[in-house]
Amino acid sequence: GAVVSQHPSRVICKSGTSVKIECRSLDFQATTMFWYRQFPKKSLMLMATSNEGSKATYEQGVEKDKFLINHASLTLSTLTVTSAHPEDSSFYICSAEAGGDTEAFFGQGTRLTVV
Amino acid sequence: AQSVTQLGSHVSVSEGALVLLRCNYSSSVPPYLFWYVQYPNQGLQLLLKYTSAATLVKGINGFEAEFKKSETSFHLTKPSAHMSDAAEYFCAVSRSYNTDKLIFGTGTRLQVFP
Repeated sequence: GAVVSQHPSRVICKSGTSVKIECRSLDFQATTMFWYRQFPKKSLMLMATSNEGSKATYEQGVEKDKFLINHASLTLSTLTVTSAHPEDSSFYICSAEAGGDTEAFFGQGTRLTVV
Repeated sequence: AQSVTQLGSHVSVSEGALVLLRCNYSSSVPPYLFWYVQYPNQGLQLLLKYTSAATLVKGINGFEAEFKKSETSFHLTKPSAHMSDAAEYFCAVSRSYNTDKLIFGTGTRLQVFP
């Protein structure tokens, strides 16, 4: 299958700072990328859907100004957690698909810890 | 609305034993159902998916799942567990046959003992 790479795999940041997570499709062009969040012992929850060159569509309850998503190219989407707080600590996973009825491929996830 | 429930956050089996991971769904429209596996420090990998073509779906690594509408279930099975099957397994439901807007279960961690 296609490869989606997330970076970093783990990050620790201080409260009040911002942290950026990258999601790259390494061997295909991703017209659509998805960002999920996983709380401990909980389901993965879709946060937002981003299409290259347009604004992301956020799911209900997700703060747009706190979780900034940029999909500037067909191989890269970024999620920036702004003014992070301990409650933002979580596992964030992206997925990317080439469009149409193709399968979405997942990155390995990023463990964010806010201290 | 759609949802999935995975019964059992942890399942332990002996190598060579039957693997059964349970998933029940709720959907107001005909569902599309998926099973994913996540190995440590890796992304989710699609094992198999149900898209209404056949109720018994065969996936990779010897896994299969059967869609039972009457029981609203999509349990994942493998006749003989292998040590390499130890991982986290997620059941998911979607309104469409591709994999956008997936709604995931809470996951089941499979342990395989020698």
